[in-house]
Amino acid sequence: DIVMTQSPDSLAVSLGERATINCKSSQSILYSSNYKNYLAWYQQKPGQPPKLLTYWASTRESGVPDRFSGSGSGTDFTLTISSLQAEDVAVYFCHQYYSSPYTFGQGTRLEIK
Amino acid sequence: QVQLQESGPGLVKPSETLSLTCAVSGGSISNNYWSWIRQPPGKGLEYIGYISDSGSTNYNPSLKSRVTISVDTSQNQFSLKLNSVTAADTAVYYCARWRADILSDWGQGTLVTVSS
Repeated sequence: DIVMTQSPDSLAVSLGERATINCKSSQSILYSSNYKNYLAWYQQKPGQPPKLLTYWASTRESGVPDRFSGSGSGTDFTLTISSLQAEDVAVYFCHQYYSSPYTFGQGTRLEIK
Repeated sequence: QVQLQESGPGLVKPSETLSLTCAVSGGSISNNYWSWIRQPPGKGLEYIGYISDSGSTNYNPSLKSRVTISVDTSQNQFSLKLNSVTAADTAVYYCARWRADILSDWGQGTLVTVSS
């Protein structure tokens, strides 16, 4: 199984400041035939299902604010929130869909400082 | 916009079978892949498996011996059965749709508690 490890486990950022969450996969999730990274980021608020933010490591889902951006390749990925808003308080998960069993990071809890 | 809704018993006794159904609305179950994912209270997400509209399946090896996912295209729904459950199977169970390779749409989730 591909293990997804996120850092940090929790993060407190001031409103308007940048938040950065990292995700590392135990093996490369870059598919050489199409040069795509099979990595997605989700946001989960209490009592709600995960919401897709980005996929293919850096493609933003329709309707997601442009302050959310994904980057990285191979085994190292980052989700950046450029200017934290109060509604961004949530748990964030990375997810690899490169190979089954598809796996998720343990989650990063983002709070307001 | 496709909507998914899980349904089924919220309480299952140990050693019995957990059965859930996911009703799909706002779109056809055809030409898509569908998954079950679970989340124990306060914990992370675990992939259970997927099924195509034609019935081909893929299961997480950690659960494969106990899991069956099936599809009913006439009812536009798919189902999960997990047998021989224990307290470790207590979780919120989500159904979800794969849009091409991406888990794009999720149901609200249903909490299933395993307890006598």
